[in-house]
Amino acid sequence: QSVLTQPPSVSGAPGQRVTISCTGSSSNIGAGYDVHWYQQLPGAAPKLLIYTTFNRPSGVPARFSGSKSGTSATLAISGLQAEDEAAYYCQSYDRSLSARVFGGGTILTVL
Amino acid sequence: QVQLQESGPGLVKPSETLSLTCSVSGFSITSVNDFYWAWVRQPPGKGLEWIGLVHHTGSSRYNPSVRGRVTILVDTSNNEFSLRLTSVTAADTAMYFCARGRVDYYMDVWGTGATVTVSS
Repeated sequence: QSVLTQPPSVSGAPGQRVTISCTGSSSNIGAGYDVHWYQQLPGAAPKLLIYTTFNRPSGVPARFSGSKSGTSATLAISGLQAEDEAAYYCQSYDRSLSARVFGGGTILTVL
Repeated sequence: QVQLQESGPGLVKPSETLSLTCSVSGFSITSVNDFYWAWVRQPPGKGLEWIGLVHHTGSSRYNPSVRGRVTILVDTSNNEFSLRLTSVTAADTAMYFCARGRVDYYMDVWGTGATVTVSS
């Protein structure tokens, strides 16, 4: 059971907008800790997609955006493309565990 | 360009010790204080689990799930850091990634991963 909860899967057609939720608690996201997002293509290492809730590293398209409210965060992907098919993980810091924690991951399928 | 590369045995027997090394190139581990050096693992078909991290000063932090069995050390002379996990079981079978950690708790550069299987 992951500390951060994500839906196991989401799907969308090319060009559509999808969102992936990440629900935490008062000891992590709700405590004010930032949320980060990673994209993991099949057979590859995770890649940083969004850091400190809404910032994009150089090279990440503006189609990817992040937000946070209360004890939850959201990754939004607009203009869905076939190459976006991947697993997406949220991550934060949990002060009760004194540990970095991940969500269970969400598999995005482009229909 | 910063690159990280994991290395170590791909097969470890139950109850023995798993040892991996992460070689860092294109960046000095000691160059800036705001970076940490982390290990993350991913069991087959499952999600990511943060194992722990080390700072170039030697200070370390570990996930409670493996605390007591894990040691992460830094070797500044060789610009690398290592993972040691004792008393392994089949549950420790996973892809192990090393990564560069930032002060805001995220990891911005990752190695390609090393598969470790625990089996007799």
